[in-house]
Amino acid sequence: DAGITQSPRHKVTETGTPVTLRCHQTENHRYMYWYRQDPGHGLRLIHYSYGVKDTDKGEVSDGYSVSRSKTEDFLLTLESATSSQTSVYFCAISESRQGLYGYTFGSGTRLTVV
Amino acid sequence: KNEVEQSPQNLTAQEGEFITINCSYSVGISALHWLQQHPGGGIVSLFMLSSGKKKHGRLIATINIQEKHSSLHITASHPRDSAVYICAAGGSQGNLIFGKGTKLSVKP
Repeated sequence: DAGITQSPRHKVTETGTPVTLRCHQTENHRYMYWYRQDPGHGLRLIHYSYGVKDTDKGEVSDGYSVSRSKTEDFLLTLESATSSQTSVYFCAISESRQGLYGYTFGSGTRLTVV
Repeated sequence: KNEVEQSPQNLTAQEGEFITINCSYSVGISALHWLQQHPGGGIVSLFMLSSGKKKHGRLIATINIQEKHSSLHITASHPRDSAVYICAAGGSQGNLIFGKGTKLSVKP
């Protein structure tokens, strides 16, 4: 019944390879976000989207790109994966820019770069 | 200094105890969010506060805008409350700044 799904749930990839993570929502929410979660840090924003083809950088965007060609899908691409990008990645959605109705998070993608 | 600070980092309680988790922030906010992250990793939004107090079941969240401080209280704690509780400050541009979380363990 999840309104937001992430795929894959787990991935192991080699350094230097491109990797794409997918976030899919069925809620028709305008705002979508990609975060990474690392030990000793709070969740940190990578990129976000405020509509189809409208995206912007977050605080840790280097080495990542995103695309949103449809309302329901927000893709995160690691152009050339590095070990420092080993992390758990969460997608989130919200109806309003300020999250006035809260945020819904995906279940996360655990990415390991070897 | 982190813009959002939570305390304590870790908290162990006995079942039935009253629990308080604190969050202080140094940035201007449009709203303060409390989230719960289960041991399996999923994150659930608990509260969004811009003023005053909200209650949902055994959970109570308060915010003091002047003091830039929020608290999350759990009454009659239960082992199923064991999780990481995360405070996040919401800016006017929609960005969230997260605290590092408080890991709560409730023993039976």
